Amino acid sequence: GENVEQHPSTLSVQEGDSAVIKCTYSDSASNYFPWYKQELGKGPQLIIDIRSNVGEKKDQRIAVTLNKTAKHFSLHITETQPEDSAVYFCAASNTGNQFYFGTGTSLTVIP
Amino acid sequence: DTEVTQTPKHLVMGMTNKKSLKCEQHMGHRAMYWYKQKAKKPPELMFVYSYEKLSINESVPSRFSPECPNSSLLNLHLHALQPEDSALYLCASRLNGGLSTDTQYFGPGTRLTVL
Repeated sequence: GENVEQHPSTLSVQEGDSAVIKCTYSDSASNYFPWYKQELGKGPQLIIDIRSNVGEKKDQRIAVTLNKTAKHFSLHITETQPEDSAVYFCAASNTGNQFYFGTGTSLTVIP
Repeated sequence: DTEVTQTPKHLVMGMTNKKSLKCEQHMGHRAMYWYKQKAKKPPELMFVYSYEKLSINESVPSRFSPECPNSSLLNLHLHALQPEDSALYLCASRLNGGLSTDTQYFGPGTRLTVL
């Protein structure tokens, strides 16, 4: 089955700086890669996703890049704000009903 | 509207109780999921319903019993739970029940405590 690794597990940045979270996957058949943000006591919220026919996608301060050859994808958050503090999960799916999650990154943005 | 609703928000139950968790979506999604999440861990898949039929059961103990009465509703019946079953239970849904790269949307979860 698919194995998704996520790094780092914790990340602290100063407000206004950029944050980068990286994930690798093992199954070359995976073709859909969502990123979720989870605030304390809430359910995961989709923030951005990318499909395997695209190398990069951007939505305001958030971007995701995908390298299919190396089997890794990354989340980039620019101009970080305190409200970006949360746990971020990457995931991979291969068109089936199953999603494989990374272990999560706890991001703290220091004002 | 990408809303998945879950009730109740919080539930405390004893080990001999029977309770149910409820999940609802009105987006026309045909795949619905139950996940269990422990603190600081990723969601752990329990069950998947595709077109109202159980398609994935991740070897979940029989004290958890899922039910999908219709395409909008998903229940999780709980009986004789153990304290280690205390967790956040998340429901999610996805547009297509078959092969696709549709986005999965999560509900807010039910915080379950088993005494």
